[in-house]
Amino acid sequence: EAGVVQSPRYKIIEKKQPVAFWCNPISGHNTLYWYRQNLGQGPELLIRYENEEAVDDSQLPKDRFSAERLKGVDSTLKIQPAELGDSAVYLCASSLGGFGNSPLHFGNGTRLTVT
Amino acid sequence: AQSVTQLGSHVSVSEGALVLLRCNYSSSVPPYLFWYVQYPNQGLQLLLKYTSAATLVKGINGFEAEFKKSETSFHLTKPSAHMSDAAEYFCAVSVDKAAGNKLTFGGGTRVLVKP
Repeated sequence: EAGVVQSPRYKIIEKKQPVAFWCNPISGHNTLYWYRQNLGQGPELLIRYENEEAVDDSQLPKDRFSAERLKGVDSTLKIQPAELGDSAVYLCASSLGGFGNSPLHFGNGTRLTVT
Repeated sequence: AQSVTQLGSHVSVSEGALVLLRCNYSSSVPPYLFWYVQYPNQGLQLLLKYTSAATLVKGINGFEAEFKKSETSFHLTKPSAHMSDAAEYFCAVSVDKAAGNKLTFGGGTRVLVKP
């Protein structure tokens, strides 16, 4: 099966500029996640979707971050305006849903550098 | 809330030697536990998972982990390291059924394999 696809792989922007990341999950996976991974740390959840509904966005900085998952498939994560501290790898993952037994499948991530 | 602690941010082993990566979790309810591996510039790949069945879990690439409730541990081992095992390893926990498959990750342990 095709894996989780993310684009772009790398993005360099100046602070205060907007940026968007795109994710295409594995076909049939109802649950989609966006994680942020700072250098030398484990991933931290930003937002989780069940189909097209954001069911957990408690860690998403809503003043500058937004996300959408149209038709319950592809998803876009946006930052506007970007800050220096947003430099990180943004990982998208998908799963069949449920609890425990359905592992997360991760994409290769988008490495964002804000200068 | 659950948490994960990985002892040692870096581990160096000789090729052919035992690999031991330590993970301790904090949870008030029985957890689901996972180990993921991340190769450079790639996303996370599931190595193995514990979901309340057998306490000794075998995963891919010769890795295994043992769930010890009394020690709140889920250490990862491999009897004989291979050069291809050089990567970063993350332990993760999921406990909240209401949160679905929301994973909380440890800080990661980077493994260096010496020839």
